[in-house]
Amino acid sequence: SQQGEEDPQALSIQEGENATMNCSYKTSINNLQWYRQNSGRGLVHLILIRSNEREKHSGRLRVTLDTSKKSSSLLITASRAADTASYFCATPPRDRRALTFGSGTRLQVQP
Amino acid sequence: DGGITQSPKYLFRKEGQNVTLSCEQNLNHDAMYWYRQDPGQGLRLIYYSQIVNDFQKGDIAEGYSVSREKKESFPLTVTSAQKNPTAFYLCASGESGATGELFFGEGSRLTVL
Repeated sequence: SQQGEEDPQALSIQEGENATMNCSYKTSINNLQWYRQNSGRGLVHLILIRSNEREKHSGRLRVTLDTSKKSSSLLITASRAADTASYFCATPPRDRRALTFGSGTRLQVQP
Repeated sequence: DGGITQSPKYLFRKEGQNVTLSCEQNLNHDAMYWYRQDPGQGLRLIYYSQIVNDFQKGDIAEGYSVSREKKESFPLTVTSAQKNPTAFYLCASGESGATGELFFGEGSRLTVL
C-alpha cells in the first residue's frame, strides 16, 4: 500500500541552485520523515516533522508540512554535487506499525 | 560502534534454492524491518517485528520467511517460492511503534542466475 508519492521523479540542477521535492500522502499521519539514499547504499534519516509542525530546518534542509493538503516539501538550499542521491518521504500508517515509503525523487546535482 | 549490519552484500543464487540474508543490530531496538527495493523504485515492506518471537507480514510477504529469536537478529529467508527474487534487500531497526526514525543497513543485493 503506497502512502507517499514524491514529485518530481527526477530532478537535475546545477551546483549552487536550490532543489525542491514534494511528497503527497493519503491518510492522516502523526509525523512525516525524509530519507536520503546514495546509489547502492542504505537509507539515511534526514528529518522528521510532526503533524502539529508546519516547518522545520536542519542545516541546508527545510521541510514543510501541510496537513490540510496532505503534502510535504523538502528544500535543499545551495546544493552541492554531494547532494546527488534519491530522496524518499515516509509515513507511519495508522493501520500498522511500519513506515511506508514513496517511490522517491532522484536528484542529480551537476558540478 | 552502534549500527545495523547486513550480510552478505552481494549474493548469487540458482533458481530453486533458498537463501538467507542476515541482519544484526546493536542499537537495542525492539523493532526490525525488511524492505525490498527494485531498480529505480521505492521500498516495499516484506516483514516486520516489533518484539522478540513475534513478526507480521508486510505488503509482499509471499515467498519470504523470517524469524526473531533474538532482539539483535532478524534474518530473512528468500525461498524458492518467491517468483522474482532478484532485488536489493534492506533491513532497518527502530524504536517500537514505527513512529520514529529508522536506521538502515547497507543492503544485500540478491541476483538469481
